Amino acid sequence: NAGVTQTPKFQVLKTGQSMTLQCAQDMNHEYMSWYRQDPGMGLRLIHYSVGAGITDQGEVPNGYNVSRSTTEDFPLRLLSAAPSQTSVYFCASSYPYRGGSGELFFGEGSRLTVL
Amino acid sequence: SQELEQSPQSLIVQEGKNLTINCTSSKTLYGLYWYKQKYGEGLIFLMMLQKGGEEKSHEKITAKLDEKKQQSSLHITASQPSHAGIYLCGAATSSNDYKLSFGAGTTVTVRA
Repeated sequence: NAGVTQTPKFQVLKTGQSMTLQCAQDMNHEYMSWYRQDPGMGLRLIHYSVGAGITDQGEVPNGYNVSRSTTEDFPLRLLSAAPSQTSVYFCASSYPYRGGSGELFFGEGSRLTVL
Repeated sequence: SQELEQSPQSLIVQEGKNLTINCTSSKTLYGLYWYKQKYGEGLIFLMMLQKGGEEKSHEKITAKLDEKKQQSSLHITASQPSHAGIYLCGAATSSNDYKLSFGAGTTVTVRA
C-alpha cells in the first residue's frame, strides 16, 4: 500500500521558473492538502481540497495554485518561483473528517530550493 | 499568528529520563493530534485525542487533553535514542472545519 506519494523529493529552481509538485494517494481519500514547513514556523496550510473539483485556500496560498481533477491526485503549482518559497512541502490526505476527527496521512515531503 | 503554541521549542534529555511537551491553543480545540518527525522525513502519526480529559498511551508515550485549559501534553517515560526527533501537535479549531493547524514543533534530543 503506497499511501501518499510525493514527487520529486528534491528540486532546485531559479527565481522565476515554474514547476509542479505532484501528490497522489491510493486510499480513496476525499480530503487532500498541501503544507509547507519552515524552521520555527511549523506546518502551514497552503491549499486544501475536499473532493474532485473543489479546492480552497489555506493560511499561505499566495504564489501557489492547485487543482483537483481526480480523487487520487492533488498537484501544487508554483507559477513563478521566489526564494521565499524555499521550503519543505508536505502533501496530506484523509477522509473528509470535520472538526479533527480522523487521522491525516502525510507524504514524505518535497524539499524545494529557489535560488 | 500561531494558533497552537508548543513548549518548549527544544529540549535535551538524558537517556532514561522523562520528558513532557505541551501544546496550548488560543481557540477551542476540536481533535488534537500528535505527530513525530525524524529530520528530513515525513510525519508519523502518534495519537489523536478528542474528548476533554482523554488520555492515550502507546508504548512509553502518553498524551492527555485538558479541554478547559485548551491544552494537551505529551509525556515520554524513560526516554530512548529512538524518541529523538521533532514532535508536532495539530488540531482543528472549528467543529465544522476540515483543515488542521499545527504548532511549530518541539525538537527532542536524547543524550546517551
